[in-house]
Amino acid sequence: ETGVTQTPRHLVMGMTNKKSLKCEQHLGHNAMYWYKQSAKKPLELMFVYNFKEQTENNSVPSRFSPECPNSSHLFLHLHTLQPEDSALYLCASSQDGSEVDTQYFGPGTRLTVL
Amino acid sequence: TQLLEQSPQFLSIQEGENLTVYCNSSSVFSSLQWYRQEPGEGPVLLVTVVTGGEVKKLKRLTFQFGDARKDSSLHITAAQPGDTGLYLCAGALFNAGNMLTFGGGTRLMVKP
Repeated sequence: ETGVTQTPRHLVMGMTNKKSLKCEQHLGHNAMYWYKQSAKKPLELMFVYNFKEQTENNSVPSRFSPECPNSSHLFLHLHTLQPEDSALYLCASSQDGSEVDTQYFGPGTRLTVL
Repeated sequence: TQLLEQSPQFLSIQEGENLTVYCNSSSVFSSLQWYRQEPGEGPVLLVTVVTGGEVKKLKRLTFQFGDARKDSSLHITAAQPGDTGLYLCAGALFNAGNMLTFGGGTRLMVKP
């Protein structure tokens, strides 16, 4: 596979469930990102990892927990979510996290919280 | 209030028409990017502009960065149904590294 892949593509979960979103990039990049895209708000940056180190947590509630075990994989662990967390969750990667670095996005995971 | 305001939010036009999408802010950006997102896909980068007053062309698409680096526009000439999608602008603030701030998007539909 090439580019940035995300699994699952669709996820429905209850508020008491625990689930994880997975992102994998095959581009040899060193920076990875989680974004949230909801219908009523602009695309929001959630977390940034540079060289496996978390460099940004954009005031995200603790019910979202990221994990970056290596530079190719990024997870978003979900627990005790709320219906307003329903959104498209996008993963992206870039070469080295510099200012004009091109970010390559995955297709997203469409999450519905019941 | 959003840091980057895009207008219009929705645009429905006939094939062959021209259109312009605007991205405005009161903040100064070190660079600004335009993306297009199609249903079921993530955003795909179209262009990055970094110099105030810069104009870049990509086939029928013309991108402009304002002189003051606070605004940008995307002009499409002779739109085609394949141009249909969500157009997003995203800016990088000075000293913000790789953190992008996105506009709300312009949803374009081009009818044949």
